[in-house]
Formats: sequence, structure tokens, C-alpha cells
Amino acid sequence: DAGVTQSPTHLIKTRGQHVTLRCSPISGHKSVSWYQQVLGQGPQFIFQYYEKEERGRGNFPDRFSARQFPNYSSELNVNALLLGDSALYLCASSRNARGRGQGVREKLFFGSGTQLSVL
Amino acid sequence: KQEVTQIPAALSVPEGENLVLNCSFTDSAIYNLQWFRQDPGKGLTSLLLIQSSQREQTSGRLNASLDKSSGRSTLYIAASQPGDSATYLCAPDGGNTPLVFGKGTRLSVIA
Repeated sequence: DAGVTQSPTHLIKTRGQHVTLRCSPISGHKSVSWYQQVLGQGPQFIFQYYEKEERGRGNFPDRFSARQFPNYSSELNVNALLLGDSALYLCASSRNARGRGQGVREKLFFGSGTQLSVL
Repeated sequence: KQEVTQIPAALSVPEGENLVLNCSFTDSAIYNLQWFRQDPGKGLTSLLLIQSSQREQTSGRLNASLDKSSGRSTLYIAASQPGDSATYLCAPDGGNTPLVFGKGTRLSVIA
């Protein structure tokens, strides 16, 4: 079975532009989470989606948005890019939503990430 | 708010050594704790998940322990190999909140 897949693997944008990152979860997984990892730091939570609904949002500005499709794949959109948005963006999937009775024992499976550089 | 600290920040050891990576967290109300491995510029690979009711979890040369009451976890790597070189991250899981990660320990195993 394929793992979590993310596209593109690398992306270069300039300030003010918009970017869309894509994620396909492991087959059978209904929950997708997005994390931002700045160089030298641990990943920071951005969003969680389950069954196409937003289940959690981290401390990120409204320039960041996401959605989940009926096939459980997900997109992360970032508008008006800033230099500080340069980071590795990670997508993670799990079978169930976090915070549910089953979800607390859920492992998160991560994709290889999209490296975004904003010039 | 959960805060996670990993010590040391970086570690360089000769091949074959046994080593211990430390993780401490401030909120002990967790359901489990995961250890991850990350290669440079890559995603995270889950190594071990310890449930709050467990004290230890083992996978091959890796052994993770959890002392929930004191807010500590350790990852023990036996007979280290150059292929173990990576950054190791811990993430305590409060269940209803997103995973909070430490900054990681960057491990270099020298052949």
C-alpha cells in the first residue's frame, strides 16, 4: 500500500504569490493533518480535517486555509506568501480523527513533505 | 500548554555505542507518546508509540520508556550504526489537542 503522498516535493515562489500543496492519505485513512516545520524546529500544527470538516486549527494567520475532498485527499493553500513561510510542509494521515475515543491511540503517518522556498 | 524539551540537541558518537535520547514534557495528561525519526529534508517516520499505561516499548535495537508522572521519556538505541544518523523527535499526545513536538536531537553515528 502507498504511504502518504505529497506534491510537489519542492517549490519556489516569490513574496506575495499564492501556493497550493496537495496530500493523499493512506488508503482507508479519513483524517489529514498539516504541519509546518521551519529549519531547526519541530513541526507546528496548522490544520486537521476529518470527513471533510475542519477539526482543529493551529495559531496561523488567515492566509493559511485548507480543505479535504470526498476521497479524503487534502489541499493546503497559502496566500500572500511571506519570506517567513519558507519551510517544510508536512501532511499526516490517520484512520480516525484525533480526540475521538479511538483516535487517542492513533498513530500519525507522515508524508515526505513539500519544501517551500519563498524568495 | 504542552511544552517539549529534548536533550541533547545534538549528539555525535562512534559506531557501536549505546546511547540515550531524552524527552521531557510539561503536561503529564497524555494518552501516549510517539518517537519519530526524520532524515534531512524528509518527512517523519514513526518509530515507537508508547501508551500511557505502558512503561516501555521495544522495536529491534530501539527501546522507549515513559514515566508519565514525571513528564519524561527516553529513547535507547543499542549498538548504534551510521544508518541511525538522523534527527529524533518526540511528541506527547494529549488526545484532544494536536501533537506537540520537541526540536529534536540530531544524531550522528561515525563509522
